[in-house]
Amino acid sequence: DTGVSQNPRHKITKRGQNVTFRCDPISEHNRLYWYRQTLGQGPEFLTYFQNEAQLEKSRLLSDRFSAERPKGSFSTLEIQRTEQGDSAMYLCASSPSTVYTGELFFGEGSRLTVL
Amino acid sequence: EDKVVQSPLSLVVHEGDTVTLNCSYEVTNFRSLLWYKQEKKAPTFLFMLTSSGIEKKSGRLSSILDKKELFSILNITATQTGDSAIYLCAVYYAGGTSYGKLTFGQGTILTVHP
Repeated sequence: DTGVSQNPRHKITKRGQNVTFRCDPISEHNRLYWYRQTLGQGPEFLTYFQNEAQLEKSRLLSDRFSAERPKGSFSTLEIQRTEQGDSAMYLCASSPSTVYTGELFFGEGSRLTVL
Repeated sequence: EDKVVQSPLSLVVHEGDTVTLNCSYEVTNFRSLLWYKQEKKAPTFLFMLTSSGIEKKSGRLSSILDKKELFSILNITATQTGDSAIYLCAVYYAGGTSYGKLTFGQGTILTVHP
């Protein structure tokens, strides 16, 4: 499968714990995005990487959230001291940088439940 | 603030009906408008529109963009139960403080009954 891969697909954790999600984009895609989607809402932008550089972060991304893309390939999104409000689907998407049209290729998402 | 608004938020129809989904937007540095279909997993791409008045068509689905009035519609004719999904409208913009991202609407939940 050469699509965007996300792990784990589901994560249940207790409030206050740390969680980390991983995203493997389509190879050769330089752009990588993280979005968060809650029930009944469209995906909300969290952050964007061009290769290894994190170029943009949403105001939604509090200091408990951190994302990295150390070698410009896979990316991780870590949430520290989780809160119940963090429960959501975390979607990763990628696109080739030469295509400035907006089409993003999404992974299946990582669903987080904070108890 | 940039925003994308979809209507209706939910729609229930019977197989064979035709539906029209609406998307209006207010963004600066507009580049394109995209429609995605989301079932119980990742959004999948349907259409990308960049020019006004040019209809994009794929089977029973079609879409058109009006850049003057800042809206788009997605039409589905002869609906089938497999069309049941969330339909997401998103606008891609780049410039100013943004390097380029999609902003999504809330989605329209379409339910097609047999």
